[in-house]
Amino acid sequence: DVKVTQSSRYLVKRTGEKVFLECVQDMDHENMFWYRQDPGLGLRLIYFSYDVKMKEKGDIPEGYSVSREKKERFSLILESASTNQTSMYLCASSSPGTNSYEQYFGPGTRLTVT
Amino acid sequence: AQTVTQSQPEMSVQEAETVTLSCTYDTSENNYYLFWYKQPPSRQMILVIRQEAYKQQNATENRFSVNFQKAAKSFSLKISDSQLGDTAMYFCAFMKRSFGAGTTVTVRA
Repeated sequence: DVKVTQSSRYLVKRTGEKVFLECVQDMDHENMFWYRQDPGLGLRLIYFSYDVKMKEKGDIPEGYSVSREKKERFSLILESASTNQTSMYLCASSSPGTNSYEQYFGPGTRLTVT
Repeated sequence: AQTVTQSQPEMSVQEAETVTLSCTYDTSENNYYLFWYKQPPSRQMILVIRQEAYKQQNATENRFSVNFQKAAKSFSLKISDSQLGDTAMYFCAFMKRSFGAGTTVTVRA
């Protein structure tokens, strides 16, 4: 079974803290994604990576950075957390191939910034 | 990014009945993939069904089927014989990065 895991289900941080969200997939997928999910807005793409050490900005990259040092791991970094970054964060992975663009999602991290 | 619109924030359906969720999108591409994902309460998002734009035949997966109208840029999901386990939020997605706002479906016993 395909598996995408995220380091925390719930996280509470203070304004100004540096926050790391980790995502690991065991499917040898090339592509990995970070989204944030907000009510009424659906999923919005923050960053994605199509290979180790490669990254591309999504639609809302401001205030975030990412790191992909190994193929199976994709980290989202909030350099200085702010209250407007309180959200559900979803990681996903996919492989370019026959089922191109089908994504496998992690369980999500609900981040609260106070 | 392409725009994906789901105009129904919430829908309620009686068990065993049929419900249809609407989705429209905007693109100038000719070949692409469309998806419906399901996110049950407090559980992981999973793929329900996919449609390749160059295929004219509508995709079906058991009780789930789509009505894909390429010219109209419409991609609706029909859930037949609704079950309590179908209660979830459903997202329409275009390719890998554009998602709709979601439709919450509640199946009533």
